[in-house]
Amino acid sequence: DTGVSQNPRHKITKRGQNVTFRCDPISEHNRLYWYRQTLGQGPEFLTYFQNEAQLEKSRLLSDRFSAERPKGSFSTLEIQRTEQGDSAMYLCASSLASGSTEAFFGQGTRLTVV
Amino acid sequence: AQRVTQPEKLLSVFKGAPVELKCNYSYSGSPELFWYVQYSRQRLQLLLRHISRESIKGFTADLNKGETSFHLKKPFAQEEDSAMYYCALSTLSTGNQFYFGTGTSLTVIP
Repeated sequence: DTGVSQNPRHKITKRGQNVTFRCDPISEHNRLYWYRQTLGQGPEFLTYFQNEAQLEKSRLLSDRFSAERPKGSFSTLEIQRTEQGDSAMYLCASSLASGSTEAFFGQGTRLTVV
Repeated sequence: AQRVTQPEKLLSVFKGAPVELKCNYSYSGSPELFWYVQYSRQRLQLLLRHISRESIKGFTADLNKGETSFHLKKPFAQEEDSAMYYCALSTLSTGNQFYFGTGTSLTVIP
C-alpha cells in the first residue's frame, strides 16, 4: 500500500498517560495534515506542515498536543496527560503543495482514553 | 469564517431512485469544494471536486455560488453507493486545509 500510513491503528490508554501517533505520508507529498474526528462529526483540522515547517495550528490543539515533522517526511502527534475527551479518531492526510489540492487520508488511529 | 453545512445526517433511498446530498458553505472568497466518501471500514477518499466538473461513479455536483451550495446528485442510486459522504471546503488563503461538514450517511435500500 503506497498510500498514507498511520500507526498504531488503535490505542487504548489510561487517563493521564502520554501517547504518540505516527503518520507516513505519500512520499512526494510535502504537505501533511492532522485531523481529529469524533462520533457524528466530520474531521476537524488540528495542524498542518509544509515540509518540516508547522504552518498552522487550530485552536483545538491545546498545549497538551504537539506535532512534529522533523525531516519533512513522517510526522508524529503526541498527546500529553490524556483526558477522556481526547478519545477520537486521529486522521493524517497528505497532499502536494501546488497544483491539485486533493488530500489523501490515512486510515486513522483510534484513541480510547479510559 | 469558513463553514460547511450538511443538513441531513441520515438519508435512505431505494435502489434506482435519484439521490441528492445537500451541502451549503459559507466563505467570502473563492473556495474549492470537494465531496469525500468513506465506505464501510475504508479510509476517507476523494469522490469529486468542483473544478474538475466530472462525473464519478455517476455522481455530479455543481457549485452554485449564488446559493453557496454544492449538492451531490446521482440519478439512479446503487446499493454500493451506501457510505458516509462528507462535503469539504478548501481555501488557498488558509493553506488548503479542509473544512468538513458533519457528513451524511447514505443507505441505498435494495
